[in-house]
Amino acid sequence: KNQVEQSPQSLIILEGKNCTLQCNYTVSPFSNLRWYKQDTGRGPVSLTIMTFSENTKSNGRYTATLDADTKQSSLHITASQLSDSASYICVVRAQSGTYKYIFGTGTRLKVLA
Amino acid sequence: GAVVSQHPSWVICKSGTSVKIECRSLDFQATTMFWYRQFPKQSLMLMATSNEGSKATYEQGVEKDKFLINHASLTLSTLTVTSAHPEDSSFYICSARNGQNYEQYFGPGTRLTVT
Repeated sequence: KNQVEQSPQSLIILEGKNCTLQCNYTVSPFSNLRWYKQDTGRGPVSLTIMTFSENTKSNGRYTATLDADTKQSSLHITASQLSDSASYICVVRAQSGTYKYIFGTGTRLKVLA
Repeated sequence: GAVVSQHPSWVICKSGTSVKIECRSLDFQATTMFWYRQFPKQSLMLMATSNEGSKATYEQGVEKDKFLINHASLTLSTLTVTSAHPEDSSFYICSARNGQNYEQYFGPGTRLTVT
């Protein structure tokens, strides 16, 4: 069964600290993996997209890694800011006729001053 | 970049009335659009998939007569919540799939409150 699991479910950190969010997936065949940031009351916004051959991709203070062998991905946030408080969703796209997106349950991050 | 808009961004309606939500792809043609529902502190739940010019495919447990979906053009899909009840209050998000690269782009969401 195609699944995407994220951990932790929620996380509280102090402003300026770093954090890492985890994503494990069982989606096969794999097409790509995206990390989205969703602010409360807004739609998801794409942070990074990674294909099978990519190990690391950065977008400002966000760095995503992908290990296609172990089917794991991580999102590292450096020098967190209050505006980083949001839900972070890992989404895997299947390489199939429907190109279906499989959503993780998300990690809710709260950055405190 | 690809932009998807939704209208309205929020709506309050009385129980028993119907409300229509629009989803538009502004700079690409969307052969397929998806409608999601999101409850507080939960991830997005796919409600239905619509292909332009054909009937929508609903996920298990979603009432097709209650959530009417129309995808009449390559840039517009609408979701109509009929005879709304307070339990239909939720955040509704659409996404549009680019017919050329098969990537999905999400709209900003619509907050529906049924009183």
